[in-house]
Amino acid sequence: QKEVEQDPGPLSVPEGAIVSLNCTYSNSAFQYFMWYRQYSRKGPELLMYTYSSGNKEDGRFTAQVDKSSKYISLFIRDSQPSDSATYLCAMSDDGNQFYFGTGTSLTVIP
Amino acid sequence: DTEVTQTPKHLVMGMTNKKSLKCEQHMGHRAMYWYKQKAKKPPELMFVYSYEKLSINESVPSRFSPECPNSSLLNLHLHALQPEDSALYLCASSPPWEQETQYFGPGTRLLVL
Repeated sequence: QKEVEQDPGPLSVPEGAIVSLNCTYSNSAFQYFMWYRQYSRKGPELLMYTYSSGNKEDGRFTAQVDKSSKYISLFIRDSQPSDSATYLCAMSDDGNQFYFGTGTSLTVIP
Repeated sequence: DTEVTQTPKHLVMGMTNKKSLKCEQHMGHRAMYWYKQKAKKPPELMFVYSYEKLSINESVPSRFSPECPNSSLLNLHLHALQPEDSALYLCASSPPWEQETQYFGPGTRLLVL
């Protein structure tokens, strides 16, 4: 079983829709959780960082961590064509070595 | 300066060549990382330097040789690579006050012929 599971998609939504991206994990020791956005042929860009459980909001983005279910989510409100990218989740138990999901490809259609 | 820079952006090399990738940050970060990313795959960790010392080496072949000359600079020396080493090589860094977060550079796209 992989440490981190993420549905690769592709996911296609109309502009203005709410997008929900998810990752599940098996290691209950994970306590650092991050979401990255990666445009085609570019390096990953850190979007959200969460420690332990709970929600974190930044503009149109909300990250949720449910440690009891070993499940994390990223919500994008009022999605824009510029949000079209691959979204990677990453997590760690000690903050030194991170385990990445495979990425979900998102397309927002104008 | 609030970013991680990487040079060159693109590199084409033969299997007998020796080349180096360079990564630089001036944000006071004391952990630096090399990742390899193949198309449509997540980044794979290669090396971690913490306070200029190699702390993690993920069983990377010796044809990849990292070097951290100072706290701002990270190199990856390449020698006798194989075509399957063609990939995007990403550098990342973490600040000591928030070492759980990693900030990535744009990457060097490497093609080995």
